Amino acid sequence: DVKVTQSSRYLVKRTGEKVFLECVQDMDHENMFWYRQDPGLGLRLIYFSYDVKMKEKGDIPEGYSVSREKKERFSLILESASTNQTSMYLCATDRGTNEKLFFGSGTQLSVL
Amino acid sequence: GESVGLHLPTLSVQEGDNSIINCAYSNSASDYFIWYKQESGKGPQFIIDIRSNMDKRQGQRVTVLLNKTVKHLSLQIAATQPGDSAVYFCAENSHGSSNTGKLIFGQGTTLQVKP
Repeated sequence: DVKVTQSSRYLVKRTGEKVFLECVQDMDHENMFWYRQDPGLGLRLIYFSYDVKMKEKGDIPEGYSVSREKKERFSLILESASTNQTSMYLCATDRGTNEKLFFGSGTQLSVL
Repeated sequence: GESVGLHLPTLSVQEGDNSIINCAYSNSASDYFIWYKQESGKGPQFIIDIRSNMDKRQGQRVTVLLNKTVKHLSLQIAATQPGDSAVYFCAENSHGSSNTGKLIFGQGTTLQVKP
């Protein structure tokens, strides 16, 4: 089975802090994704990557950046955390278009 | 614009009954659909998928039905068990949009199983 590991289950940060969310997958998949999940809004795509050092904006990239230096690792960066970035963050991976996504367990981030 | 939606935010069923969770989609160009289950405190888990060249696909206790004429997707769970209590999301790929190849998710239906 594919394993997608997110480094933290819960995080509490202060407004203005730089925040790193890490995600590692063990199946050599090309594609990796970052979503955020909010009540009533479902899952929204922040950024995704189809290859090492490659990134593309999703639907809500503002306030975020990403890094993919190695195939197995995809990092989400909040340059200056704000309270409206309090959310559940989900990393996912798949092996190609029209293939199912495998999700990590999520990181619940609270920005105070 | 595109939207993937579920008809009911909450569905309550008796243990042992069959459950039907519905989803409507608006992009007729979508050709891949998928259902996820998300339990409290966990990430979404894949349940079953279907491609647009099929109308029905069965898994273990689950069946997905696709009606392309009315752009409707449903998930049927047979003999619902307490462990089926979760939020269920449908998703479609987004061919024909600026987000080609990526999944678009509905907002989810919460399934509550009464003992």
